[in-house]
Amino acid sequence: EVQLLESGGGLVQPGGSLRLSCAASGFTFSSYAMSWVRQAPGKGLEWVSAISGSGGSTYYADSVKGRFTISRDNSKNTLYLQMNSLRAEDTAVYYCAKPITMVRGGTDAFDIWGQGTMVTVSS
Amino acid sequence: IQLTQSPSSLSASVGDRVTITCRASQGISSYLAWYQQKPGKAPKLLIYAASTLQSGVPSRFSGSGSGTDFTLTISSLQPEDFATYYCQQLNSYSLTFGGGTKVEIK
Repeated sequence: EVQLLESGGGLVQPGGSLRLSCAASGFTFSSYAMSWVRQAPGKGLEWVSAISGSGGSTYYADSVKGRFTISRDNSKNTLYLQMNSLRAEDTAVYYCAKPITMVRGGTDAFDIWGQGTMVTVSS
Repeated sequence: IQLTQSPSSLSASVGDRVTITCRASQGISSYLAWYQQKPGKAPKLLIYAASTLQSGVPSRFSGSGSGTDFTLTISSLQPEDFATYYCQQLNSYSLTFGGGTKVEIK
């Protein structure tokens, strides 16, 4: 069964840091670009970042560029999101997501989502 | 690329035909997906490539459009369809979502 399992969320003070992890199973992880998507409480979905299968290319939303870093360890089938200089507006559920195909470099619909991990930025 | 969904919410009855629209700020060919999300749950993929039904999704869901204007149609609304629906453009990074349409029970 294809699965994604996020971890690492929690409460952090403004200006602090947090690293999220997403453990993948049931598919050839290294063949797929992967994305992070977030959802603030009561709000819509926001794409945050993506990384190619090899890890050589990364992409970010303007709202997190320069503060967040996406990475992956294909030997561990794990995706990461390092979040620095956190702000109150980063408070959200963070999902990792897998694209439906491996052929478009990650710019494809997300057929598999994790259950999400909550990040709360507050003093 | 900005995506504008309309309406932002609607009330409908079981059995109704429901149409949700999504307009892109520039042409995105057929690189559009639709998702359904229920409270406390991750989004679920319904439609990709504007009109291709994801495996396991009921045939009452359909998608159409290309370029800048897209539509999600539910032909006969069922009780389990009350949820929030999002479009997403997949033409290029960043992969923006529409603002969502909440479908509520009338």
